[in-house]
Amino acid sequence: KQEVTQIPAALSVPEGENLVLNCSFTDSAIYNLQWFRQDPGKGLTSLLLIQSSQREQTSGRLNASLDKSSGRSTLYIAASQPGDSATYLCAVIPLAGANSKLTFGKGITLSVRP
Amino acid sequence: DTAVSQTPKYLVTQMGNDKSIKCEQNLGHDTMYWYKQDSKKFLKIMFSYNNKELIINETVPNRFSPKSPDKAHLNLHINSLELGDSAVYFCASSSRGGPQFFGPGTRLTVL
Repeated sequence: KQEVTQIPAALSVPEGENLVLNCSFTDSAIYNLQWFRQDPGKGLTSLLLIQSSQREQTSGRLNASLDKSSGRSTLYIAASQPGDSATYLCAVIPLAGANSKLTFGKGITLSVRP
Repeated sequence: DTAVSQTPKYLVTQMGNDKSIKCEQNLGHDTMYWYKQDSKKFLKIMFSYNNKELIINETVPNRFSPKSPDKAHLNLHINSLELGDSAVYFCASSSRGGPQFFGPGTRLTVL
């Protein structure tokens, strides 16, 4: 059974710092991995999707990497801003197609202090 | 706007009542999902439909019955609501192999 772990559960950093959020998964047979952002009381916003054949994806100040063999992904946030404060969730999909259910980690709540 | 939308956004009801949550996506996706986020913020899959056909049912009580009238809609009906059903319910959609896009959520409170 796939399990996704995100540690620590919470993180507080000063504005401007570069930071790395970690995600680990127990079963390396994944189809892809998706990083989301969730603001308090809101839905999930998709940030990046990495296919199993890819090593990384970039969008603006965000860079996500994937190492399937070791069961790890990281989300790198450059030059953090107070507006980056949110909960960041990673989720994996084991199979392509119709039965592609996401298995989520519990998220990392990030606070960027001005 | 292209998006996944859900109604209602908030739902407060008494134990034992029956309620429905509606979801619509206009992204042209063929697969839709219901997820439940509990009080500890943990997200878990409940159901998945592909082209109106139930694909995933994650040991959810029979009181929960999803219905997909067409590819763009996936509704969730809940019978005999219980206190433990209080949560945020998210609808999502995707195409094969693509990212999943989530609706804004429906916060259900059972009193």
